[in-house]
Amino acid sequence: QKEVEQDPGPLSVPEGAIVSLNCTYSNSAFQYFMWYRQYSRKGPELLMYTYSSGNKEDGRFTAQVDKSSKYISLFIRDSQPSDSATYLCAMSSGNTGKLIFGQGTTLQVKP
Amino acid sequence: GAVVSQHPSRVICKSGTSVKIECRSLDFQATTMFWYRQFPKQSLMLMATSNEGSKATYEQGVEKDKFLINHASLTLSTLTVTSAHPEDSSFYICSARKTGQGTGELFFGEGSRLTVL
Repeated sequence: QKEVEQDPGPLSVPEGAIVSLNCTYSNSAFQYFMWYRQYSRKGPELLMYTYSSGNKEDGRFTAQVDKSSKYISLFIRDSQPSDSATYLCAMSSGNTGKLIFGQGTTLQVKP
Repeated sequence: GAVVSQHPSRVICKSGTSVKIECRSLDFQATTMFWYRQFPKQSLMLMATSNEGSKATYEQGVEKDKFLINHASLTLSTLTVTSAHPEDSSFYICSARKTGQGTGELFFGEGSRLTVL
């Protein structure tokens, strides 16, 4: 069993839709949770960073962490074609920068 | 925002040769850098943790003699793929953590695509 599970998709939605992306994990020691966006052949770009449980909102993006269920989510409101990319969840048990990534979900937002 | 530069972005080499990839933090100091490998449609797999002035820490299953890492300054780490073979062809990505900061201050390079013929 992988430490972090993420459905690779692809996920295709119409422009303006609400997108829900999710990851589950098995290591209860994870305390730091990140969502990255990666465009084709580029490095990951940090979207959201959350410590421990709870919600965090930044513009059209909302990250949720439920440590009791070992489940994290990223919601994208009013999705745009420019949001089309691969979204990677990542986690860490310490504040060291050593991350464990999910497989990534490919999202396509159609105009 | 902080910038991490990787060079080269693309490299093609013959089997048996060695290739060096550089990772630079352009506007901040990074005591710790990380090297990842990513296969097509796969996740990033951590290869090693690079610490300035000391030996790198490799993840299980990563050959340290094949993937040489040097972190000689607070702004530069290098990954050398020695005696490269076609199975080493991959996308290599580095990340740099700002000195004194935690996981939230971690920045990724644009990646280097290695093709071994």
